[in-house]
Amino acid sequence: GQNIDQPTEMTATEGAIVQINCTYQTSGFNGLFWYQQHAGEAPTFLSYNVLDGLEEKGRFSSFLSRSKGYSYLLLKELQMKDSASYLCAVTNAGNNRKLIWGLGTSLAVNP
Amino acid sequence: GAVVSQHPSRVICKSGTSVKIECRSLDFQATTMFWYRQFPKQSLMLMATSNEGSKATYEQGVEKDKFLINHASLTLSTLTVTSAHPEDSSFYICSARGQLDNTEAFFGQGTRLTVV
Repeated sequence: GQNIDQPTEMTATEGAIVQINCTYQTSGFNGLFWYQQHAGEAPTFLSYNVLDGLEEKGRFSSFLSRSKGYSYLLLKELQMKDSASYLCAVTNAGNNRKLIWGLGTSLAVNP
Repeated sequence: GAVVSQHPSRVICKSGTSVKIECRSLDFQATTMFWYRQFPKQSLMLMATSNEGSKATYEQGVEKDKFLINHASLTLSTLTVTSAHPEDSSFYICSARGQLDNTEAFFGQGTRLTVV
């Protein structure tokens, strides 16, 4: 079957670094996405990984290990506006190209 | 980045009426469109997947006669909630993907539906 796990909640301090982990089990893996969602709003795209390694994009970086079925999203220099839910999703070859979503990690950034 | 426009952003309707939500891809061809609903503090729940010109594929437990999906062109998909009831009140979000497998899903702004 398909399964995605990520922590439900995390708390961090403004200016700090936080790592949000995501593990997945799926067949025909064809990429992993990270999205950010603020309350009452639609998700916005953060990153896409299909090959092993680290992708850096400003304050946000995403890592993938396909052999371990593992990814993380790294947020540096945290700001209050980073308080949001972070969603991990995987896509498979075929499967009508739909994304399989994790339940999201609610991150609270405190002053 | 690509833009997906979803309308209306908010709608209040009376119980028993139908509501149509539109999702348009403004600057790319949306080969596949997805419709989600999301309850407060819960994750996205996929309702159906639609490919242009073909019937939508509904997820288990989603009534296809209640949630009518039309994907008549590569830039427009609609979701009609028929005979709405208060329990249908939710946040409905569409997303669209282009042809290539490595393309991200772009989301519409979402529609807050309240059935009274």
